[in-house]
Amino acid sequence: GENVEQHPSTLSVQEGDSAVIKCTYSDSASNYFPWYKQELGKRPQLIIDIRSNVGEKKDQRIAVTLNKTAKHFSLHITETQPEDSAVYFCAAPLSYQLTFGKGTKLSVIP
Amino acid sequence: ETGVTQTPRHLVMGMTNKKSLKCEQHLGHNAMYWYKQSAKKPLELMFVYNFKEQTENNSVPSRFSPECPNSSHLFLHLHTLQPEDSALYLCASSQDSWATNEKLFFGSGTQLSVL
Repeated sequence: GENVEQHPSTLSVQEGDSAVIKCTYSDSASNYFPWYKQELGKRPQLIIDIRSNVGEKKDQRIAVTLNKTAKHFSLHITETQPEDSAVYFCAAPLSYQLTFGKGTKLSVIP
Repeated sequence: ETGVTQTPRHLVMGMTNKKSLKCEQHLGHNAMYWYKQSAKKPLELMFVYNFKEQTENNSVPSRFSPECPNSSHLFLHLHTLQPEDSALYLCASSQDSWATNEKLFFGSGTQLSVL
């Protein structure tokens, strides 16, 4: 069926290192790819999104890349800080619904 | 911070109880959503309302009954729930009527425990 696969499910990095989270989707018509961050006990919040007419988008230490041919997109966090520790969710429109990945728990070790 | 407000934050109920979750958005958005968040599972869309009209019901059991009296308020009425319904229930809103390419604004959720 149609879904969004997200990897890895958990990721631990040293403070200052980079973190990369990858997602694949099944619907070639998908055209919008957001990333949400959910800190422990808090609501999910959009941190960055990309539309299918661009291949990369950056916002300070966060970037998202999109490969439409391969149907995958990735979140890149550089110079990680302890406050980056959270669960990150990717999403893509599938069958007219925004479908979320299972999430990646990122731990940044000071 | 509180563009989307949910109450209560926590709820414990028995399988025979009837309770309601409430969501209110102060953003002037036209669409509102209920999501279910369980451990180790993706966020699951339950219901979508556009301009107070329900447009999506993702095969949700009838023990969950949504109500949207106006564009700012959304309820989820619960009755005869099962223990597997224990989860975090998140309300969200978006500016326009279809959330496939719109930023979602989430509430803080109601942590539901069914005993």
